[in-house]
Amino acid sequence: DTGVSQNPRHKITKRGQNVTFRCDPISEHNRLYWYRQTLGQGPEFLTYFQNEAQLEKSRLLSDRFSAERPKGSFSTLEIQRTEQGDSAMYLCASSLRSGSRETQYFGPGTRLLVL
Amino acid sequence: GQQLNQSPQSMFIQEGEDVSMNCTSSSIFNTWLWYKQEPGEGPVLLIALYKAGELTSNGRLTAQFGITRKDSFLNISASIPSDVGIYFCAGQPGSGNTGKLIFGQGTTLQVKP
Repeated sequence: DTGVSQNPRHKITKRGQNVTFRCDPISEHNRLYWYRQTLGQGPEFLTYFQNEAQLEKSRLLSDRFSAERPKGSFSTLEIQRTEQGDSAMYLCASSLRSGSRETQYFGPGTRLLVL
Repeated sequence: GQQLNQSPQSMFIQEGEDVSMNCTSSSIFNTWLWYKQEPGEGPVLLIALYKAGELTSNGRLTAQFGITRKDSFLNISASIPSDVGIYFCAGQPGSGNTGKLIFGQGTTLQVKP
């Protein structure tokens, strides 16, 4: 069983460019989450999907951010017109919601640096 | 908004010592999870707690879901150098039908051989 995978692992871009990250969840997991983590802080929730439906978005997710999970499997997170404040680790997690129990497993993250 | 207060912020201990860290909140949580994160990597799940009062062990790690559903602790016994890392508590809020996790600020653990 492979865990959650994320690509790329690192991304350096110039301010104003668009970037896209991909997350492949653990197979058969129906929920997929995106979090952002800055240095010295815990991860902060951005958005999540159940199958292909986006169920919740954080206020942190400005209109420059968009996430998709078109077939209920992998997901992409796009940031348009990047700003230096977007520099962070972007983490993906997946889970299988079963009744009231749910455990999220994280990928290795994509570290973004905006110059 | 909902917040988790995690303490201590950092610990520097001798190998073999026991460690205790905790998280508290003013809000109720349905699930408590403890993760460990190493530099440049994603958080790795250590223990999951689903029921108030639940006490669960994973090797040298023991965690409890507080009876009020507003707190949790993690204990590590007989620490070893590979225990070094940042430990995070995370809770799934009890209000609203949400799956998101709220994270504490982390406890940085350093172990001196």
